[in-house]
Amino acid sequence: RKEVEQDPGPFNVPEGATVAFNCTYSNSASQSFFWYRQDCRKEPKLLMSVYSSGNEDGRFTAQLNRASQYISLLIRDSKLSDSATYLCVVLVVGGGNKLTFGTGTQLKVEL
Amino acid sequence: DGGITQSPKYLFRKEGQNVTLSCEQNLNHDAMYWYRQDPGQGLRLIYYSQIVNDFQKGDIAEGYSVSREKKESFPLTVTSAQKNPTAFYLCASRLGEVGYNEQFFGPGTRLTVL
Repeated sequence: RKEVEQDPGPFNVPEGATVAFNCTYSNSASQSFFWYRQDCRKEPKLLMSVYSSGNEDGRFTAQLNRASQYISLLIRDSKLSDSATYLCVVLVVGGGNKLTFGTGTQLKVEL
Repeated sequence: DGGITQSPKYLFRKEGQNVTLSCEQNLNHDAMYWYRQDPGQGLRLIYYSQIVNDFQKGDIAEGYSVSREKKESFPLTVTSAQKNPTAFYLCASRLGEVGYNEQFFGPGTRLTVL
C-alpha cells in the first residue's frame, strides 16, 4: 500500500464548478499535511497547509480527519487557471522533516 | 532575487556516463533535498542534507551521490550505476529544523539518457 494515495484523475470540470480531491495516508504518526500544486513540467509549489480544524484560503478549503487518515481539498468556483496537478503531501515524523508525496490528482478546468 | 536555481534545465547524457546536476540557493536555508519525479509517480527522495558537510540517504539513493561543502550548494551526481536515470530532478531547500518550514523547490532539471 502506498504511504499517500490519491485518485490520479484527470478531473475534467467546467469553469465555475466545485471540485473535491481526496487523499489517504497510511502512517498514523504523520505529523503535518499539505496540498501542493504542480503545473505541467514545473516545480511543485505549496498551495496550503492542512489543519485539524479545517482551513480556508479564498476558494480553497482543506480538511483533515486524523481518525480516518484522510485529507481533502475543495475548490469552489473553479477557474481555467486552476488547471494543474494537486499533490497531497505528508510530513513523516523523524529527522530531516522528510515529505512524502502522493502521485497527484490532475485537474482540467474547461470553458 | 532570493530563490533556488537548478542547471541545466534539460540535460542529455549517453548511457554509462556520470553527470552532475547543480542546485544553488541564496535563501540562507539550512536543509536541502533532492527528489526525482517519474510519470505517474510521486516525488521520491534521493538524498537530503540538514547541515553543511553532512547528508543522509533518502528512499532511492542507489546510483546517486551528493556533496554539501557549502551551505548554498547541493550538487547531485547521477552515476552510471543508476539503472533508470531518465527523470525530472527537483532540488528543494528549507529554513531549519525547529518546527516545520515550507520546502521551496527549484525549477528542476530534465535528464534524458540516450
